[in-house]
Amino acid sequence: SQTIHQWPATLVQPVGSPLSLECTVEGTSNPNLYWYRQAAGRGLQLLFYSVGIGQISSEVPQNLSASRPQDRQFILSSKKLLLSDSGFYLCAWSDRYGYTFGSGTRLTVV
Amino acid sequence: GESVGLHLPTLSVQEGDNSIINCAYSNSASDYFIWYKQESGKGPQFIIDIRSNMDKRQGQRVTVLLNKTVKHLSLQIAATQPGDSAVYFCAERPPGNDKIIFGKGTRLHILP
Repeated sequence: SQTIHQWPATLVQPVGSPLSLECTVEGTSNPNLYWYRQAAGRGLQLLFYSVGIGQISSEVPQNLSASRPQDRQFILSSKKLLLSDSGFYLCAWSDRYGYTFGSGTRLTVV
Repeated sequence: GESVGLHLPTLSVQEGDNSIINCAYSNSASDYFIWYKQESGKGPQFIIDIRSNMDKRQGQRVTVLLNKTVKHLSLQIAATQPGDSAVYFCAERPPGNDKIIFGKGTRLHILP
């Protein structure tokens, strides 16, 4: 069966520090992968999606970047975090029948 | 889209009553629709789906209704329980790709 792993679950980082959130998928090959951000009490904002290794599409201009070094690995990064980068970050993979989400990372930039 | 920045609307329902959560979708050509449930601090989880060639689908205590004429989707939860307290998102899949579009979400609050 397919599973998706996302870590860490929570993270507190100072302004200006780098960020690396990792997401891996098991039990499927060549999945479409996504990074979403969700502010408290808000909806889901699509940040990046990837249809294959090295293929990244950015949905909104921002301080973050994404990479897909392996088929089932998707990484969200920043060189210098801003206060506005705080939020709940969700990784997901999709097939024709919908999305499966990871458990999320709550990032607090202080 | 714009809705991601807005506070989620809230629906308050008495425990034991039926809940109806509504959603308007955007693309009349979308062929697949999904409802997700997101509990506090967790990722969204699949509840039920429906294809565009159907107008109703039932699961365990949940029913999804699709009205393509007015591009409206609803989720009905029978005999609402405290564990149903969550944010509910509808999603549509436009034809030709796997990327789905999420609605703005509704927070379901259960009254004792």
